[in-house]
Amino acid sequence: TAGITQAPTSQILAAGRSMTLRCTQDMRHNAMYWYRQDLGLGLRLIHYSNTAGTTGKGEVPDGYSVSRANTDDFPLTLASAVPSQTSVYFCASSDEAGGNYGYTFGSGTRLTVV
Amino acid sequence: SQQGEEDPQALSIQEGENATMNCSYKTSINNLQWYRQNSGRGLVHLILIRSNEREKHSGRLRVTLDTSKKSSSLLITASRAADTASYFCATRGIKAAGNKLTFGGGTRVLVKP
Repeated sequence: TAGITQAPTSQILAAGRSMTLRCTQDMRHNAMYWYRQDLGLGLRLIHYSNTAGTTGKGEVPDGYSVSRANTDDFPLTLASAVPSQTSVYFCASSDEAGGNYGYTFGSGTRLTVV
Repeated sequence: SQQGEEDPQALSIQEGENATMNCSYKTSINNLQWYRQNSGRGLVHLILIRSNEREKHSGRLRVTLDTSKKSSSLLITASRAADTASYFCATRGIKAAGNKLTFGGGTRVLVKP
């Protein structure tokens, strides 16, 4: 089934450790996004990429970095995890960076930083 | 900060009844979208309405948009137990670069059989 694959599904991470959340799509979508979802705060944009080779900062980028070496992959890295980064992380993609297109979401990664 | 705010935060109805939820936003938009999220799952795109449209239908879903009031509503007719989920509105602002969406906090809908 075409779509977005996120890995891992869940992870418990010690504070201060680094981790990369993986996101792969097979729809050849140009634009990709990382959101975090926290209870009572909805979804907040961390980083985005309008096309391969470019990235941009969202609403809450601090403590996170991304890369977009090719169209399909958009990994999110936490360099030194802190408890406030405990959240559910969703990767999403859309056909074009502009225009009127909906997002396709992955199933999420539940991260707990202890 | 959230661009969209859903109302109510939670809604409980009987199967067969209609469910209505509202979304208000703050800045001018290019389009507004509604998503559904089942517990523990990712969001699923339901419907997109452009800023020059006032109403849109998709199956049992009806979306309205009032740009003068900066508000939208999602109506689910003849609800089913399977409609139990959280529903989010998301806006693409006119000034937003690319296709970045800003999501609201969601409405939790419980459809009782």
